Amino acid sequence: DTGVSQDPRHKITKRGQNVTFRCDPISEHNRLYWYRQTLGQGPEFLTYFQNEAQLEKSRLLSDRFSAERPKGSFSTLEIQRTEQGDSAMYLCASTLGLTEAFFGQGTRLTVV
Amino acid sequence: KNEVEQSPQNLTAQEGEFITINCSYSVGISALHWLQQHPGGGIVSLFMLSSGKKKHGRLIATINIQEKHSSLHITASHPRDSAVYICAVRNRDDKIIFGKGTRLHILP
Repeated sequence: DTGVSQDPRHKITKRGQNVTFRCDPISEHNRLYWYRQTLGQGPEFLTYFQNEAQLEKSRLLSDRFSAERPKGSFSTLEIQRTEQGDSAMYLCASTLGLTEAFFGQGTRLTVV
Repeated sequence: KNEVEQSPQNLTAQEGEFITINCSYSVGISALHWLQQHPGGGIVSLFMLSSGKKKHGRLIATINIQEKHSSLHITASHPRDSAVYICAVRNRDDKIIFGKGTRLHILP
């Protein structure tokens, strides 16, 4: 297992377009987290999953954002009708029970 | 008020100095993480603590559950230690909440 992987690493999109990011957690990790990080700030919580169940969704996540983890393994984060304010690093993390959290390298989104 | 507060926000020190970064939190937790983030975004877990103290090389992390406070210490600091250090807590629902990070710059 090579750790948490995120795809793509970088995405440049025009305002108004839809984008989808993917996170592959460490195998058998039951918890999967999505965060957003803007320059100079700490990661902000977006949502997290226990297996396929979405446990909580931050109020930061407008209706344009949706996340899924259909089979309890990989997860996708979709942003519809992107805005310039969506430009950020989107981070994924996974854990199994109360163990170390492992982080992906992130997907850097630039909306032009 | 943020649930996880770190201080200082920025720290510049000379090579060799002893570094302390502090973290205070206001929620009940099951564990606390210290993380390191280098330019480019990748986050690496340094420690996970639920009590006491842990040491790894020149890094030491302590936690006081009663006072809801943790510290990360770096002994004999080196320019390669320059990075952002982030404190994150796991609340009772296992949600990970991050501090804003401390930007450390070690001068040669």
